[in-house]
Amino acid sequence: DAGITQSPRHKVTETGTPVTLRCHQTENHRYMYWYRQDPGHGLRLIHYSYGVKDTDKGEVSDGYSVSRSKTEDFLLTLESATSSQTSVYFCAISEPSLGKPTNEKLFFGSGTQLSVL
Amino acid sequence: GQNIDQPTEMTATEGAIVQINCTYQTSGFNGLFWYQQHAGEAPTFLSYNVLDGLEEKGRFSSFLSRSKGYSYLLLKELQMKDSASYLCAVLDYGQNFVFGPGTRLSVLP
Repeated sequence: DAGITQSPRHKVTETGTPVTLRCHQTENHRYMYWYRQDPGHGLRLIHYSYGVKDTDKGEVSDGYSVSRSKTEDFLLTLESATSSQTSVYFCAISEPSLGKPTNEKLFFGSGTQLSVL
Repeated sequence: GQNIDQPTEMTATEGAIVQINCTYQTSGFNGLFWYQQHAGEAPTFLSYNVLDGLEEKGRFSSFLSRSKGYSYLLLKELQMKDSASYLCAVLDYGQNFVFGPGTRLSVLP
């Protein structure tokens, strides 16, 4: 199994407070992703990173920011949490297979259950 | 735009065969993936198709038709432990994985 650790596993916070979720990997994979998962919507991409200090927005990036100062760490910050950001957040990693038939599966962390009251 | 469709729920009997369909319309295509997700857990990789045809892996097989934007996951000899959600995902040109809403499969004794 890929070495991916998410912290915290559970978080309850109040509307308007900032929240930071951490994803740590030991695989040295270049790509890291933050998804949120909500009933009826499946997994939706928030932000992703393709290297240190290289990040880009996903489908549902409003209200979220990310940082990647080291290969192994990818942080997701909710600047001012809202109730609509109550969700399960998954971090994932992948590594493109250059010069070979693509087999770039995603490996997921265990998830963070965030509740914004 | 990006759009991936799957049935929301399916029910099947232990020992039977079930086929979960997935249709997609995405801006790019670098492969189609199936993931399994048990309740309260993270998704785990099941199968991958990049060329048309059938890929078999034990009790699970996955089929792809790129011209039709269609894939299916076939589960044979169903077991109770196969009760889970099955997620279809397309890898587009931007190294982004676009997921469908998932199909929740219930296996009954």
